[in-house]
Amino acid sequence: EVQLEESGGGLVQPGGSLRLSCAASGFTLSSYSMHWARQAPGKGLEWISYINPDSSSINYADSVKGRFSVSRDNAKNSLYLQMNSLRVEDTAVYYCVRDPWLDPWGQGTLVTVSS
Amino acid sequence: FTLTQPPSVSESPGKTVTISCTRFGGSIASKFVQWFQQRPGAPPTTLIYENDQRPSGVPGRFAGSVDSSSNSASLTISGLRTEDEADYYCQSHDNLIQVFGGGTRLTVL
Repeated sequence: EVQLEESGGGLVQPGGSLRLSCAASGFTLSSYSMHWARQAPGKGLEWISYINPDSSSINYADSVKGRFSVSRDNAKNSLYLQMNSLRVEDTAVYYCVRDPWLDPWGQGTLVTVSS
Repeated sequence: FTLTQPPSVSESPGKTVTISCTRFGGSIASKFVQWFQQRPGAPPTTLIYENDQRPSGVPGRFAGSVDSSSNSASLTISGLRTEDEADYYCQSHDNLIQVFGGGTRLTVL
């Protein structure tokens, strides 16, 4: 069964950093491009980052560009999101999803940015 | 580009409802559209991929379509059930950027 499991969320102060992880199982991560998306409390879905299989192509939403950094370790079947200079508005559940159909969705990991 | 959905729709059990997703900026037919369902407290799940394809396990009551004349995609749910009450999101992409519609809350009265 294809599964994605996000981890690493938590409470962080504004200006702080956090690193999210996404563990893939049931498929070979190195064969797929991947995305990060998020959902703020009571709000809709927002795409935030893309990375291709060999990390040669990466893209970010304007809302996180320059603050967030996506990476992957295909040998460990894992995807990462380094989040720096966090803002209150970054508070959300963060999901990793597989290209091209942004599927499947795990339970996500909650990031709360608050003082 | 943006994808615009109605914030909410409502219909009675057993009826049919259609949720629209209008693309502003570029052609709706240029890239595939996906639809996701999100029930309260749960992550999204894929209902439709590649405009009109259903993943295994998704009932035939759910159908996707694209209309170039209105530059819109649509999700039609027939034989509405109370369990269909959820948020529905359309999604498409362009040049490595993914875009979600704002979501439509379906109420089954």
